[in-house]
Amino acid sequence: DVKVTQSSRYLVKRTGEKVFLECVQDMDHENMFWYRQDPGLGLRLIYFSYDVKMKEKGDIPEGYSVSREKKERFSLILESASTNQTSMYLCASHNPHRSPLHFGNGTRLTVT
Amino acid sequence: RKEVEQDPGPFNVPEGATVAFNCTYSNSASQSFFWYRQDCRKEPKLLMSVYSSGNEDGRFTAQLNRASQYISLLIRDSKLSDSATYLCVVNMGNFNKFYFGSGTKLNVKP
Repeated sequence: DVKVTQSSRYLVKRTGEKVFLECVQDMDHENMFWYRQDPGLGLRLIYFSYDVKMKEKGDIPEGYSVSREKKERFSLILESASTNQTSMYLCASHNPHRSPLHFGNGTRLTVT
Repeated sequence: RKEVEQDPGPFNVPEGATVAFNCTYSNSASQSFFWYRQDCRKEPKLLMSVYSSGNEDGRFTAQLNRASQYISLLIRDSKLSDSATYLCVVNMGNFNKFYFGSGTKLNVKP
């Protein structure tokens, strides 16, 4: 089974802090994604990466950056956390050619 | 218009009932289709992929209707443990382009 692991299940940070969310997958998948999920808004794509050191903006990249130094690891960085970034963050990985997304167990981030 | 649309429900059904959800998609070039299950405050988990000829996994049956651009999920003999939100996910063929329905909430009552 594909395993996608997010480093923290729950996180509480203060406004202005720099926040790192880590995601590791063990299936050698090329593609990795960061989504956030909010009630009434569904899942929205923040960033994705299709290879080491490659990244593309998704639909809502503002206030976020990403890093992919190794194939198995994709990090999401909140440069200066704000209260409107309180959300459930979901990492996913995917192999091309019609395979499904595999999600990590999510990080529920609260910014106070 | 949203790329993928689902009835948000909730669908309230008794144990043992058969329930069906539909999901419509707008782009006829869509190539891959999936149903995910999401429990409250948890991550989405793949329930099943949807194949052109339809497919079944135990009590769950998924079907694709390309002409009318919808996919369906049928759950037979509902269990209390089936209570969850069911997400429809569509991929347009580009590796980054997954579109999500808003989810259909199912409550199975004793």
